[in-house]
Amino acid sequence: NFMLTQPHSVSESPGETVTISCTRSSGRIASNYVQWYQQRPGTSPTTLIYEDNQRHSGVPDRFSGSVDSSSNSASLTISGLQTEDEADYYCQCYDGDNQRWVFGGGTKLTVL
Amino acid sequence: EVQLVESGGGLVQPGRSLRLSCAASGFTFDDFAMHWVRQPPGTGLEWVAGISWNSETIRYADSVRGRFTISRDNDKNSLYLQMTSLRPDDTAFYFCAKDRAFTGTTGIDYWGQGNLVTVSS
Repeated sequence: NFMLTQPHSVSESPGETVTISCTRSSGRIASNYVQWYQQRPGTSPTTLIYEDNQRHSGVPDRFSGSVDSSSNSASLTISGLQTEDEADYYCQCYDGDNQRWVFGGGTKLTVL
Repeated sequence: EVQLVESGGGLVQPGRSLRLSCAASGFTFDDFAMHWVRQPPGTGLEWVAGISWNSETIRYADSVRGRFTISRDNDKNSLYLQMTSLRPDDTAFYFCAKDRAFTGTTGIDYWGQGNLVTVSS
């Protein structure tokens, strides 16, 4: 069974750009679409990105997703950081071999 | 507007059972697969179970298989999670979530507000 590994935390200043990685431990990252979710403190998750790089309705274009086969990882990039972006971010993909969904451990973004 | 409202959580003793419900509105319920995802307080998200639009395909996480049962009633626009043989490590917020498509393999687009289940004596 593969795992999705994310950095525990990242921090950046308002107005800057940050990238959060999500590395698949085995199997090709391109085998299954990756989704990204945002969870602000004390709230339920919301969907940001689906199918690697498609923005969910209402999500600002400051948020973008990509996949890099060379590093076997997906990335979420947030540009023009705002204090409201301070949240936990989770990647997710489907494991077709074992018919289960896999979440990354989550990354806490601090906007200093 | 899509709304997913969970109910049925609370405090339960180890070994007992509990049933969660999720009332869905704002979309054609029987066109989409549904999921349960949980989050122990202060930790990350864990997918629990998923069910296709017509209940023909059901999937479980290894941690709950054989103890939890996911089901749906399309006539009532409702999703359920029957939890038995509950353990303290089942303590978590349980989220009802809507899949993007009918199969249950495309990803979640909407989430409920979450319902806390606490397993403790």
